[in-house]
Amino acid sequence: NAGVMQNPRHLVRRRGQEARLRCSPMKGHSHVYWYRQLPEEGLKFMVYLQKENIIDESGMPKERFSAEFPKEGPSILRIQQVVRGDSAAYFCASSPPGKSGDEQYFGPGTRLTVT
Amino acid sequence: GQNIDQPTEMTATEGAIVQINCTYQTSGFNGLFWYQQHAGEAPTFLSYNVLDGLEEKGRFSSFLSRSKGYSYLLLKELQMKDSASYLCAVRDRNDYKLSFGAGTTVTVRA
Repeated sequence: NAGVMQNPRHLVRRRGQEARLRCSPMKGHSHVYWYRQLPEEGLKFMVYLQKENIIDESGMPKERFSAEFPKEGPSILRIQQVVRGDSAAYFCASSPPGKSGDEQYFGPGTRLTVT
Repeated sequence: GQNIDQPTEMTATEGAIVQINCTYQTSGFNGLFWYQQHAGEAPTFLSYNVLDGLEEKGRFSSFLSRSKGYSYLLLKELQMKDSASYLCAVRDRNDYKLSFGAGTTVTVRA
C-alpha cells in the first residue's frame, strides 16, 4: 500500500511564476491536509480538504494561494505570482474517511525555492 | 489558537535516555501527538495521547497531563539513528487540525 505521494519533490520558480504542488493521499483516505514548514520553524496548518470540498482554509494566505481536491486525481496546492517568502517545504498529509483520524500520514514534501 | 513550546536542541549519548518536554496552551484540546522528522524527510508518527498518563511503545514512551498542559516524549536506549527532530503537535477540539511546536533537534553522540 503506497503511502502519501507528493510531486514534485523539489521545485524552483522565479518570482512572479506559478507553483503547482500535487498530493495523492494514501489509498482509501479522503481527508487531505496541507502544511507549510519554513526553515527553522514548525509545520503550520494551511488547509483541510475532503473530496470536492474545502473544509477549513483558515491557515492559508488570502491572496495568491488556493487548494483543491477534485473528485478524480490528486489534491493541488497552487501558488500564483510566487515571492521569495514562499520558499519552504510544503507537506501534505492524509487520514481515513468517517473519522478524521487519530493519525495523519505525511508525504515526503515538496521543497519550493523561489529565486 | 494554540501555543506550543518545546526545547530547541538536546544532545545525549548513545545508550542513554532523553526526555523531551512539551507545554501547550490551547483554546481546545483533542489529543497530543509526537512525530519524528529526519532532515529532508516527512514527519513520521510516534505516539498519541488523549487521556492523562503514560503510553509506552518499545523504546519510546509519551506522557500527558491535560490539567498542566504538559507532555513529554521519552527515548530510551538511544541509537545513532534516533538523531532527528521531534515534533509535538496538538489537535484542536474540531478534531482535525494539528498545531505543531517548532521541534526539538536531538543529536545522539557515540
